[in-house]
Amino acid sequence: AQSVTQLDSHVSVSEGTPVLLRCNYSSSYSPSLFWYVQHPNKGLQLLLKYTSAATLVKGINGFEAEFKKSETSFHLTKPSAHMSDAAEYFCVVSGMYSGGGADGLTFGKGTHLIIQP
Amino acid sequence: GAGVSQSPRYKVTKRGQDVALRCDPISGHVSLYWYRQALGQGPEFLTYFNYEAQQDKSGLPNDRFSAERPEGSISTLTIQRTEQRDSAMYRCASRALAGTQFFGPGTRLTVL
Repeated sequence: AQSVTQLDSHVSVSEGTPVLLRCNYSSSYSPSLFWYVQHPNKGLQLLLKYTSAATLVKGINGFEAEFKKSETSFHLTKPSAHMSDAAEYFCVVSGMYSGGGADGLTFGKGTHLIIQP
Repeated sequence: GAGVSQSPRYKVTKRGQDVALRCDPISGHVSLYWYRQALGQGPEFLTYFNYEAQQDKSGLPNDRFSAERPEGSISTLTIQRTEQRDSAMYRCASRALAGTQFFGPGTRLTVL
């Protein structure tokens, strides 16, 4: 079965230190992968996406992610955390639900990023 | 409009009542998706449309749930005879012909 696993439900870092949010996927083919962010009481916003081009993907707000096929990972990183980064982050794969043939997204359970002052 | 809008933003209803949730996609977007997000979980796919045609409804949990998009723009997700387990955030997203999905703010449904 195909799946997305976010390895940490909560991550806490100090402001100005690096951020690492981990994601592993399971797929029988090369998927499209995304990271979305959800701030409190706001909608989901796309941070970045991987669609089989460059394996290192740069997104908004200084975030980036690297697709590693050998490790089936798509971890999200940022060199220096800012207080405004505090939010829920979702790793997402496209086209993995049972219906098939479309771009319905399969979300991980999310990682809550906490920024300590 | 400038983004995906959903209404109402919050809906409280009594068990057994029917509810209708509305999604207004970004103008010109071909595809429209519905997701349900339980507390502490990621969104889960329900159904999607290309123009007015419902392409896949495999994610709808049972026959109390239905969706339509009669003119290929606004969509309505209807839940009949609501139950407490239907309480969740219902999210809508739209997508251009070959692009990423843009999400609306969601409708928080509470069934008492």
